[in-house]
Amino acid sequence: GGIITQTPKFLIGQEGQKLTLKCQQNFNHDTMYWYRQDSGKGLRLIYYSITENDLQKGDLSEGYDASREKKSSFSLTVTSAQKNEMAVFLCASRTISNERLFFGHGTKLSVL
Amino acid sequence: GDQVEQSPSALSLHEGTGSALRCNFTTTMRAVQWFQQNSRGSLINLFYLASGTKENGRLKSTFNSKESYSTLHIRDAQLEDSGTYFCAAEQGGSAKLIFGEGTKLTVSS
Repeated sequence: GGIITQTPKFLIGQEGQKLTLKCQQNFNHDTMYWYRQDSGKGLRLIYYSITENDLQKGDLSEGYDASREKKSSFSLTVTSAQKNEMAVFLCASRTISNERLFFGHGTKLSVL
Repeated sequence: GDQVEQSPSALSLHEGTGSALRCNFTTTMRAVQWFQQNSRGSLINLFYLASGTKENGRLKSTFNSKESYSTLHIRDAQLEDSGTYFCAAEQGGSAKLIFGEGTKLTVSS
């Protein structure tokens, strides 16, 4: 077994601020993902990383940067927070044979 | 356009009854996964299928890659089955997983 830890759990930012969300997994998984979920909606892919130092854009990458510093960690940066933005950012991981995906508990972002 | 179309968007069941959720794909997909998102927002992986049918308790899922759809059947629904169910699919040669918009299931007594 393993766990995916996302920090912080809650993040309050100011308009225009650069904000960083972190994700750590101890599954020893190769592939990691960042998704955004707006209230009552589905998950939209922001970035994913197949292995350490790899970075692939998802459908929602504009306005975000990501970094896969090492195999176990994948961080996401909101480059300029938008006023009244509110969403949950979900990190996920799986093995390189690309089977079952596991999720962290999310970071809830609010921008004032 | 959307590659993963999920239906229905909402479903109400009485305890003990059952129904099916469906995902249609607009392109050929290599595999599909189903998730339940509970009231706390946690996403639980229910099934991963590259083909065929899998069953786990009161849940059964089928993936037909040739006809581009997957279904999730729930039987003998319980109150704790309430939540939002998502399918996610991927094309061959890609690790990119695309989610449907979800089915919000409400089970009542």
